[in-house]
Amino acid sequence: ELKVEQNPLFLSMQEGKNYTIYCNYSTTSDRLYWYRQDPGKSLESLFVLLSNGAVKQEGRLMASLDTKARLSTLHITAAVHDLSATYFCAVGRENTGTASKLTFGTGTRLQVTL
Amino acid sequence: NAGVMQNPRHLVRRRGQEARLRCSPMKGHSHVYWYRQLPEEGLKFMVYLQKENIIDESGMPKERFSAEFPKEGPSILRIQQVVRGDSAAYFCASSPGLASEQYFGPGTRLTVT
Repeated sequence: ELKVEQNPLFLSMQEGKNYTIYCNYSTTSDRLYWYRQDPGKSLESLFVLLSNGAVKQEGRLMASLDTKARLSTLHITAAVHDLSATYFCAVGRENTGTASKLTFGTGTRLQVTL
Repeated sequence: NAGVMQNPRHLVRRRGQEARLRCSPMKGHSHVYWYRQLPEEGLKFMVYLQKENIIDESGMPKERFSAEFPKEGPSILRIQQVVRGDSAAYFCASSPGLASEQYFGPGTRLTVT
């Protein structure tokens, strides 16, 4: 059974600081997603990582994937208050003949303080 | 291009009643997924459907829960005889094909009193 673990579960950081969220998964995967969720809202897709060594950046967020280590990271640079949200990684895995369901991590609640 | 639509957005049911949650996928998408999110937790896969077929229901509870995606109309997740533990946010996602990115709807928040 595929397991996805994130850490930390909760992160309080000051504006302007840098930090990294980690996502470990237990078996080989075809693709890894990062989502953002604001309280009471749906999921906003941030990144899709498809291959080993993939790195994507959007604004103050950068995601990377190491398939050999089964690890993805979401790096936050110079955090601002607007980044406060819960961040989920999710792993998709082909199951012969079917599209992959997503297995989600537990989420990291990020709080950026002034 | 309208996104994934779900209704109702909020649903309150008393224990023992039935809940019906609807999901209209994005235009051109024929694959629908249902996920459940309990408070303070990540999303858990429930079921994957294509038009008129259930492809993977490995995450669905064996009793009281059913899903369909008819040839015409939205996908429906049905929960019979709801219990307090069914209180959660239920998200629908759609994709255009196999192994394609999934796009999530706004969710239906079910409260069982």
